[in-house]
Amino acid sequence: AQSVSQHNHHVILSEAASLELGCNYSYGGTVNLFWYVQYPGQHLQLLLKYFSGDPLVKGIKGFEAEFIKSKFSFNLRKPSVQWSDTAEYFCAVSPLSGGSYIPTFGRGTSLIVHP
Amino acid sequence: SQTIHQWPATLVQPVGSPLSLECTVEGTSNPNLYWYRQAAGRGLQLLFYSVGIGQISSEVPQNLSASRPQDRQFILSSKKLLLSDSGFYLCAWSSRGRGIYEQYFGPGTRLTVT
Repeated sequence: AQSVSQHNHHVILSEAASLELGCNYSYGGTVNLFWYVQYPGQHLQLLLKYFSGDPLVKGIKGFEAEFIKSKFSFNLRKPSVQWSDTAEYFCAVSPLSGGSYIPTFGRGTSLIVHP
Repeated sequence: SQTIHQWPATLVQPVGSPLSLECTVEGTSNPNLYWYRQAAGRGLQLLFYSVGIGQISSEVPQNLSASRPQDRQFILSSKKLLLSDSGFYLCAWSSRGRGIYEQYFGPGTRLTVT
């Protein structure tokens, strides 16, 4: 079974700082990759996704993520965070083979951005 | 557009009482449906998923069960709640198919078992 590891459980930044949240997975086959975000009091929602093609994908609100297949990683980045980026971020991996396409989620990273 | 509803939003139940949480999806047909439990610092734990009416797969043995009586309705149940069933329960849907579809989540139900 695949697993997803998010290395940073809690991140605290000041506004305008750069952000990088790590996500590694263990699965040898082809995968789809997702980052979801949960703002305080709101639904969990998709931030960005990778299916194929350009490994650098851009999402909403200035976020981007890079898929590095050789490192089994899909790190989330934002050059300059805002107070409104305070949220919980989840990485998810969905295999495309092996009979189960059900995504596996990481434990999440809580991001607090101080104004 | 598609929407997903969950109710109730919050629930406080005594140990040993039954449970029924409901999830309905509008604006799509034949969705895959999922029940998750979210615990602080532990991410999302998949409890059940369904690819069609009456088809339920359980991921974790536990005190809960799920049913899908209609195409866009997914119910999470328990006959007798345990203290450990407390948590935040999320319903989600995705387009039916293999893999490549993102999930859409409901607002969740906060369950407290006392």
